[in-house]
Amino acid sequence: AQKVTQAQTEISVVEKEDVTLDCVYETRDTTYYLFWYKQPPSGELVFLIRRNSFDEQNEISGRYSWNFQKSTSSFNFTITASQVVDSAVYFCALSEADSGGYQKVTFGTGTKLQVIP
Amino acid sequence: GAVVSQHPSRVICKSGTSVKIECRSLDFQATTMFWYRQFPKQSLMLMATSNEGSKATYEQGVEKDKFLINHASLTLSTLTVTSAHPEDSSFYICSAETGGSHNEQFFGPGTRLTVL
Repeated sequence: AQKVTQAQTEISVVEKEDVTLDCVYETRDTTYYLFWYKQPPSGELVFLIRRNSFDEQNEISGRYSWNFQKSTSSFNFTITASQVVDSAVYFCALSEADSGGYQKVTFGTGTKLQVIP
Repeated sequence: GAVVSQHPSRVICKSGTSVKIECRSLDFQATTMFWYRQFPKQSLMLMATSNEGSKATYEQGVEKDKFLINHASLTLSTLTVTSAHPEDSSFYICSAETGGSHNEQFFGPGTRLTVL
């Protein structure tokens, strides 16, 4: 069974600080996808990144960066120079095909980030 | 990326009534759509997998007679909460799968249901 753990329930940082959100996953498959989503108070999920299991290159997009480590089954997300607009709940998710061929997505419990001005 | 819409975005209804939520893939055809439920301050939980032209596959613990899913076309899936009760109040989110070699899921904006 697939599982996603986000051990940090809530994090508070002061604006301009860097912050890393942890994500650890479990899966028996060799082919899977990992995601990060942002959910602001409005509720709509905002897609941030999708990474397949064969691509371990770290990625940087502006102030966002992701560190994928298959050896530790982790897919951590770092926000550099945080801003108040980064305040939201961030979900890590794992997707893999089930026996029926459907992509089943399992979400972590989310990390609520509060950036204090 | 692809766009998925949901309608309505918010609905308030009386206990005992039925509510229909629509999920549409606007610029692609989705053979498979998914319905999730999110209670306040909790994560998303998959409720069911909706397949065009066939019966939906429900996750364990989800009542199929209470949450009716119809995927009548490649761009539309509907979720009907029948005889809604206050405990059904939740945020319902759908997603649609693009299929093909670069299969991806895109999420709708969600529907907030409040049952009085």
